[in-house]
Amino acid sequence: KAGVTQTPRYLIKTRGQQVTLSCSPISGHRSVSWYQQTPGQGLQFLFEYFSETQRNKGNFPGRFSGRQFSNSRSEMNVSTLELGDSALYLCASSGDLDNEQFFGPGTRLTVL
Amino acid sequence: GEDVEQSLFLSVREGDSSVINCTYTDSSSTYLYWYKQEPGAGLQLLTYIFSNMDMKQDQRLTVLLNKKDKHLSLRIADTQTGDSAIYFCAESPSGNTPLVFGKGTRLSVIA
Repeated sequence: KAGVTQTPRYLIKTRGQQVTLSCSPISGHRSVSWYQQTPGQGLQFLFEYFSETQRNKGNFPGRFSGRQFSNSRSEMNVSTLELGDSALYLCASSGDLDNEQFFGPGTRLTVL
Repeated sequence: GEDVEQSLFLSVREGDSSVINCTYTDSSSTYLYWYKQEPGAGLQLLTYIFSNMDMKQDQRLTVLLNKKDKHLSLRIADTQTGDSAIYFCAESPSGNTPLVFGKGTRLSVIA
């Protein structure tokens, strides 16, 4: 079974731009969660989607948004990028009855 | 609010046992997890324990849970250089709710 995949793996953007990251969950998993990892704040929860609906949301500004498609693939979008948005963005998927979240390799975003 | 604390660094000699400790504050935590992150990689789920268990063993890994003290530990037996990584403790009230992570413990294994 293929694992969680994330594209692209690396991105460089400038302040004020917007960016879209993509995550494909493990086949059969309907839940996709997004986390931001920075050296200062560690791992912080952004949001979770289940069956195309946002089920949980972390404490991030409205510039951070996401969506999920009918095939469970998910995208997250960050608008009006700031330097502080530079981070590793991790996606995790889990099955309906699973207690486990499986992570992808992440997308490293650098904002200049 | 929820908080998970870990020591930041641990250094051990190859072949010794490593013990990584974690404390958490949320008494409703039902699932407690250990993840491993190698440089440039995502998080690898090592093991998890349900709150009604005291111990879980999986090959070289042993997880101990003291629910009264809200203390979780991960013991790695016969530590190898390939075990060098950052280890994250995480908790959640139920299996599919957001994970709350500690800041991670960087384990260095000296040959």
